[in-house]
Amino acid sequence: QKEVEQNSGPLSVPEGAIASLNCTYSDRVSQSFFWYRQYSGKSPELIMSIYSNGDKEDGRFTAQLNKASQYVSLLIRDSQPSDSATYLCAVYQTRDEKLTFGTGTRLTIIP
Amino acid sequence: SAVISQKPSRDICQRGTSLTIQCQVDSQVTMMFWYRQQPGQSLTLIATANQGSEATYESGFVIDKFPISRPNLTFSTLTVSNMSPEDSSIYLCSVEEQGNQPQHFGDGTRLSIL
Repeated sequence: QKEVEQNSGPLSVPEGAIASLNCTYSDRVSQSFFWYRQYSGKSPELIMSIYSNGDKEDGRFTAQLNKASQYVSLLIRDSQPSDSATYLCAVYQTRDEKLTFGTGTRLTIIP
Repeated sequence: SAVISQKPSRDICQRGTSLTIQCQVDSQVTMMFWYRQQPGQSLTLIATANQGSEATYESGFVIDKFPISRPNLTFSTLTVSNMSPEDSSIYLCSVEEQGNQPQHFGDGTRLSIL
């Protein structure tokens, strides 16, 4: 089992709809969870951090964390073509004190 | 967040040569890291750059191939030594400004080896 798993996609979502991105992780004692957005040819950009169970909202983005299920998700409301990118889930694994990235989900917003 | 300058932004190198990549931050940061991102892949941590001591390397990466320096709290270098086509990748510097804070990335160095 991979330490951080994401569906690679591509995930296609119509403009204006909700895009839902999912991530599972194996280290049960992980405490910090991050979503990065990476445009093609660019470096990853942090868009959300979440540390406790529940939802955290920032503009059109909502991160959801369920530590019991070892699951973190990112919702993008009112999706825009500019949201088309690869989204990387990253988990700070307490076990080995490092940030581990998933393989990323490629999201395409269809106008 | 800190402004991270990484250079060169890209380079094309000959097999067997070495290239040093620089990462400069506009403020003192606790942690600096070096990652590799191969085409179509996610990020793999190469090493943690420790200020004033030897870097901490991840499994599969060795100091002879990827020597790292961090002379102070704002600057680090990664050298890719004796390059082969398999080293063609994007190399990224990241920083953690304070403990247990998110990492932020430089713009990366796109390296191609002929």
